[in-house]
Formats: sequence, C-alpha cells, structure tokens
Amino acid sequence: GAGVSQSPSNKVTEKGKDVELRCDPISGHTALYWYRQRLGQGLEFLIYFQGNSAPDKSGLPSDRFSAERTGESVSTLTIQRTQQEDSAVYLCASSQNTGSGKLFFGSGTQLSVL
Amino acid sequence: DAKTTQPPSMDCAEGRAANLPCNHSTISGNEYVYWYRQIHSQGPQYIIHGLKNNETNEMASLIITEDRKSSTLILPHATLRDTAVYYCIVRVPFTGGGNKLTFGTGTQLKVEL
Repeated sequence: GAGVSQSPSNKVTEKGKDVELRCDPISGHTALYWYRQRLGQGLEFLIYFQGNSAPDKSGLPSDRFSAERTGESVSTLTIQRTQQEDSAVYLCASSQNTGSGKLFFGSGTQLSVL
Repeated sequence: DAKTTQPPSMDCAEGRAANLPCNHSTISGNEYVYWYRQIHSQGPQYIIHGLKNNETNEMASLIITEDRKSSTLILPHATLRDTAVYYCIVRVPFTGGGNKLTFGTGTQLKVEL
C-alpha cells in the first residue's frame, strides 16, 4: 500500500475486555513504532521493532500491553483487561531503517474504553 | 535527547509566511532538528530536518542559527490546510535505541482568512 495502514479506525470496548490493534507498515520499511496519544496531549512512545532485533519495549505502560511483529510486516498491539485510562489514539509509524528519523504515521486507532 | 521549547500557539493570515520558532539550547553537536506536523485527527507528518545548514523542500524551509540553539520553520505562503500542531524534535540518528522520537506539546498554528 501507499502508506501505513491501521485497523480498526475506531474501537469501543468495555472495561476489562481485551483488544487487538493492527498496523500494516509501508512495504520495505524495517522499523516500526507504536505511540499513544491521549486527548489534547502529545505522543507517548510505546514500543519499537527493528528487523529481527529484540524490540524496545521501554515505553509500554504496564504488563497489560504487548506487541508482536512478524518479520518486517504486520504488527499487532494487544491491550489486556482494558481500563478507562487506556482510552486514546494509538498511532503506528514505520521508517526505512533505524537510522532514519523520517517516520511515516498511520491515521491511528481511536480506542474508547467504557 | 535535548529538550525543545515552542510557543503553545500562533496565528497567521492566509498567504503570509508562518515562522514557527523552536528553542533547543542544550542541543549537542550530533543532534539533528526534525519538524513534524499533526493535522486534526490525523497521524503526524514529517516536514523537514537538518543538522546545521539551512534546508528547504517543497513543504517548508528550516533555518538553524549558527550556534544551533534555536531554529525556525518557515511556511512561505500559509494556507488554511496548514492549520495544525507543529512539533520540533531534536534527535541523534543511528543510535542503538532507534529513532524513538520524543514529541512534546508543539505549537498550534491557526491560519485564518
């Protein structure tokens, strides 16, 4: 595809349920990032994947959050036992390689936890 | 990474140049300056980056002071579509932790008729 694709675009869930968010990076991009953006706030880094290297999970806020990536393709971010404070836009980005600061972002998934 | 300081908001008349300042007084010699913008309900969009020389592309110009402690993003002819939050970020590329860009709160630019 032409850009980073995220699905679903909107997700409404009940407190305590698990959710899975998907990101399709730009083809050929080896680096993939997940960020979170709460309403009216800046972006918070969550996790970073680079090729087959161990991911940088330093931004994950709790053990309820996890992410996987298959090779250099699709990534999924899973939030278990969702809480109301998890409500935010979850943004995925990819870049050609770890040296590039030029990130391409998707439009995000708006998660609402009731 | 060096911290950046930006005004929270700015207004600009359509057709005029928008000059967005950024202070990064603690920047180190190998840190690049990146600019992104985020239009409402969209993901951030890369605009431009530079190290010490001024840069220009189809979107904007980046002016970095000689001491590199501040920079200005210039949109030469702002349009209503340029209304967005503009983020100034400093970062060392090619580090082991990848480009974990740290986004602050940015400058909300409002372009008006």
